[in-house]
Amino acid sequence: NAGVMQNPRHLVRRRGQEARLRCSPMKGHSHVYWYRQLPEEGLKFMVYLQKENIIDESGMPKERFSAEFPKEGPSILRIQQVVRGDSAAYFCASSRGVDEKLFFGSGTQLSVL
Amino acid sequence: GQQVMQIPQYQHVQEGEDFTTYCNSSTTLSNIQWYKQRPGGHPVFLIQLVKSGEVKKQKRLTFQFGEAKKNSSLHITATQTTDVGTYFCAEAYNAGNMLTFGGGTRLMVKP
Repeated sequence: NAGVMQNPRHLVRRRGQEARLRCSPMKGHSHVYWYRQLPEEGLKFMVYLQKENIIDESGMPKERFSAEFPKEGPSILRIQQVVRGDSAAYFCASSRGVDEKLFFGSGTQLSVL
Repeated sequence: GQQVMQIPQYQHVQEGEDFTTYCNSSTTLSNIQWYKQRPGGHPVFLIQLVKSGEVKKQKRLTFQFGEAKKNSSLHITATQTTDVGTYFCAEAYNAGNMLTFGGGTRLMVKP
């Protein structure tokens, strides 16, 4: 029974490139959340998605960031034209229902050179 | 989401000593969740508290939710080296698991 799967584990990009982070939720989970964590800080909510729908994206920067959770396939967090300040650990989490227990993936560490 | 403040930021203890981390908010919390994140790892859900004055125990861990629902604490009795990590409190606002996390307390245990 695989947990929340994120890839890649580490991603290095140069300024101006695009970063694509993938997340496959646990089997049977249709609610996906993305969080960002800077070193020595707590996690910050970015976006909440259900299949094919963005439920809440209030924590996501208006520019350069987008997220999707298609009918088939993993959820994708896309960062265009990355800048050094985007360097962080990005965690995906999933739950079976709206208020049910949250399971986190191992995260993607994004480093922007 | 609300601001959730957590103290202390760091705590060094000798193995066998007790440890407590505190979570505070200036406004009433609808609920509080606690997570543990090992160094280099990901957050792992520990517990959720919903009711005023609620106390829950998991082996050596005791979780409390204040009567006014503005604070919460996690107490570990007789720490072990396996307790090392950062403990976060978080509030779920609105429907769903959109969480506002505290800054975390990093626990280090000397053997």
